[in-house]
Formats: sequence, C-alpha cells, structure tokens
Amino acid sequence: GENVEQHPSTLSVQEGDSAVIKCTYSDSASNYFPWYKQELGKRPQLIIDIRSNVGEKKDQRIAVTLNKTAKHFSLHITETQPEDSAVYFCAASKRTGNQFYFGTGTSLTVIP
Amino acid sequence: SAVISQKPSRDICQRGTSLTIQCQVDSQVTMMFWYRQQPGQSLTLIATANQGSEATYESGFVIDKFPISRPNLTFSTLTVSNMSPEDSSIYLCSVDLSTDTQYFGPGTRLTVL
Repeated sequence: GENVEQHPSTLSVQEGDSAVIKCTYSDSASNYFPWYKQELGKRPQLIIDIRSNVGEKKDQRIAVTLNKTAKHFSLHITETQPEDSAVYFCAASKRTGNQFYFGTGTSLTVIP
Repeated sequence: SAVISQKPSRDICQRGTSLTIQCQVDSQVTMMFWYRQQPGQSLTLIATANQGSEATYESGFVIDKFPISRPNLTFSTLTVSNMSPEDSSIYLCSVDLSTDTQYFGPGTRLTVL
C-alpha cells in the first residue's frame, strides 16, 4: 500500500515569514495530492490540492508543488498570519477507489 | 462542497458496550469513508462504506469490531463494538463528491471508561 511521510512534525515561524511542509509518497500510481488544515477541535478542511498532471498550483498565499519523479510534494505558505496556526496534513491517493493515505501531520505555529 | 453532519458529536461510554455513529450528507454521494483520529495523531482509514454491498475494511480493522451500514447514498453508520479504552478517539466520516476530493464531517469524540 501507499506510505506517506511528512516533515517536519512541528514548525514555528514568525508572522510574515514563509512556511514549507514536505511530504513523500511511495506508490508511483498515486495521482492526487490534497492538503488539509485542521484547527484544534475542528474537522480537517481542504485548503489546496494538486493532480499529477500539474507541477505547481497556487491559491493566494498558499502554493503546492509536485515532483512526480522524486515522489514528493510540498505546501508553501507565504506571509504567514497567526490564523494559519493549525495542524496540516498531506495525503495521497489513486483516483480509482479514492482511498486517502495521510501523512503524520505538521503542527504549525505562527508567532505574532 | 456538501453539508455533512454526524451524531452524536461526543459520547462517554462504558467498556464492553457499543456505540453507533451516524453520518448524514445533504446530497447523494457515491463514496463514504470512516476514519479514526486518535489524540494528536493523523487520520487512519477504517473502511469504505459501499452502498448496496459490504464495506471494504483496511488492514487492522474488522467487521465484527466496526460494523458499517450504508442503506442509501446520503447516510451511513459506524458501530464501535465491545468498546475498550483503546477505542477512545475521534471518528470522522468523509464523502467523495466525485471530484476526487474528500470532505469531512465534524467528527464524533468518543471516550471509553
């Protein structure tokens, strides 16, 4: 099955700085890579996703990059704000069956 | 997206008992999933709830412990049977809106004493 690794497990940045979270996956058949943000006591919320036919996708301050050859993808948050503080999860899936395999999570703290 | 609700939102149960968690969606969805999230941990897929057929369980999860029903395209239940304190966790359902993306319900926080 798929194995998704995520680093770092915790990340602290100063407000306004950038944050980068990296994930690797093992199954070359995986072709869909979503990122979820989970605030304390709340459900995971999709913030951005990327499919394997695209190398990069951007949505305002958030961007995701994918390197299929190396089997890794990253989340980039620029101009971080305190409300970005949360746990972020990456995931990988094959479109067929749509089972998601999640990374272990990154706890991001943005220091005002 | 879709409006997804779960009942109960939380419960405290005695060991040896069972709890059934409901997941309701406001639109018909092909695929529904059940996850477990232990405190401070990631999300682990328990099973895929298939409408009209038995659920598909992931390694480490069995039907006798986590029976699942999916009577129609908007509703599913997960039962946690013969509970022990190790079953204390948050249980989340998710749905696939045929766009490859999964959206999560608010979760059920279960504490087993």
